[in-house]
Amino acid sequence: NAGVTQTPKFQVLKTGQSMTLQCAQDMNHNSMYWYRQDPGMGLRLIYYSASEGTTDKGEVPNGYNVSRLNKREFSLRLESAAPSQTSVYFCASRYYQETQYFGPGTRLLVL
Amino acid sequence: GDSVTQMEGPVTLSEEAFLTINCTYTATGYPSLFWYVQYPGEGLQLLLKATKADDKGSNKGFEATYRKETTSFHLEKGSVQVSDSAVYFCALSDMPLNTGNQFYFGTGTSLTVIP
Repeated sequence: NAGVTQTPKFQVLKTGQSMTLQCAQDMNHNSMYWYRQDPGMGLRLIYYSASEGTTDKGEVPNGYNVSRLNKREFSLRLESAAPSQTSVYFCASRYYQETQYFGPGTRLLVL
Repeated sequence: GDSVTQMEGPVTLSEEAFLTINCTYTATGYPSLFWYVQYPGEGLQLLLKATKADDKGSNKGFEATYRKETTSFHLEKGSVQVSDSAVYFCALSDMPLNTGNQFYFGTGTSLTVIP
């Protein structure tokens, strides 16, 4: 039981490049989330998926897209990366009202 | 809308000192309240939670009581250790008025415990 896994752990991009951050959970959770963490800002929700087949915008969705590929996987795509998207990205999952479990994070640097 | 306001850090304490990190919340419904801890280079881990008013969450010597009258969920520990050095996040989760059940996080409080 690996919990929530994220790939890659670290990535450097040039402005304008695209990439997809992958997230998977093996806990049969229905809801999945993508956050970004910036110094002094705490965690801000980018997108979430309440169940397979549904996605909704969070607090800071601009510049991102998501796909809930199946119940296990929830990917985050940056179509044209910008320096403002330099951050640490966390994926999380949750079973209804239960605790939210976090992945180890992806550190992204956009030059 | 829902929100969490957390005591700003950083906080530096000597080993065995008493710790309090303040957290207050705003919510329209009946939220569940959480404290998460983040060790350097890692993701967030649940420390403790409380799901209704007057509940006390506790774990690893940390405690927090859900106070509806003061809309607070302050984190306390009687004697901190060097290994408690981390960033602590207060969070709330609203009731299922929508299917998203979003979490709202505070900005985090960095704690450093010195020997």
